Amino acid sequence: NAGVTQTPKFQVLKTGQSMTLQCAQDMNHEYMSWYRQDPGMGLRLIHYSVGAGITDQGEVPNGYNVSRSTTEDFPLRLLSAAPSQTSVYFCASSYVALAGGRNEQFFGPGTRLTVL
Amino acid sequence: AQSVTQLDSHVSVSEGTPVLLRCNYSSSYSPSLFWYVQHPNKGLQLLLKYTSAATLVKGINGFEAEFKKSETSFHLTKPSAHMSDAAEYFCVVSDPTTGGFKTIFGAGTRLFVKA
Repeated sequence: NAGVTQTPKFQVLKTGQSMTLQCAQDMNHEYMSWYRQDPGMGLRLIHYSVGAGITDQGEVPNGYNVSRSTTEDFPLRLLSAAPSQTSVYFCASSYVALAGGRNEQFFGPGTRLTVL
Repeated sequence: AQSVTQLDSHVSVSEGTPVLLRCNYSSSYSPSLFWYVQHPNKGLQLLLKYTSAATLVKGINGFEAEFKKSETSFHLTKPSAHMSDAAEYFCVVSDPTTGGFKTIFGAGTRLFVKA
């Protein structure tokens, strides 16, 4: 199994450009999520999905769109990039917990995005 | 609302000495708590998790954590540090009011291990 894969690894954008960060998993996980990591702030949840066709907002959703048409893929779209979106982006997936709590999340290697 | 506070942004230990990384949480409900580790330029890996079973949780690589409800703490410990433990560690709480689907990360503690 490849686990969680992300492309690209690095990206430089100009302000106002749009792009899509790709995320795929081959573990048949229902739950997928996107985080951004900024120095001194840990990881912050952007959007998540609990299955194909179902998405919801996390802590910092503004400026980002997601969709989930298949179990495997969960792309993150930046509609009009801003310097404040310079960050490292991580995708994660997990099984949906049967009761209470949460199962382990499996993380991709990350995408380092710079917006000039 | 849930929150997580990691009390130290940096911890430095000598190889072979104990490690203590401190985490306090705030929750109105019985939370699920996790510790993840991130090695430089890598993704995150689960060390251990607490989901309302035993309060002393053992994880990978000799790490363990104790859930103390009265102190709202979930500190991570290891008896003897190894050079390979140098990394950033994140304490995480999941929000049961959202079915556990929203997770909140602490700001992270960077562990340095001196030879």
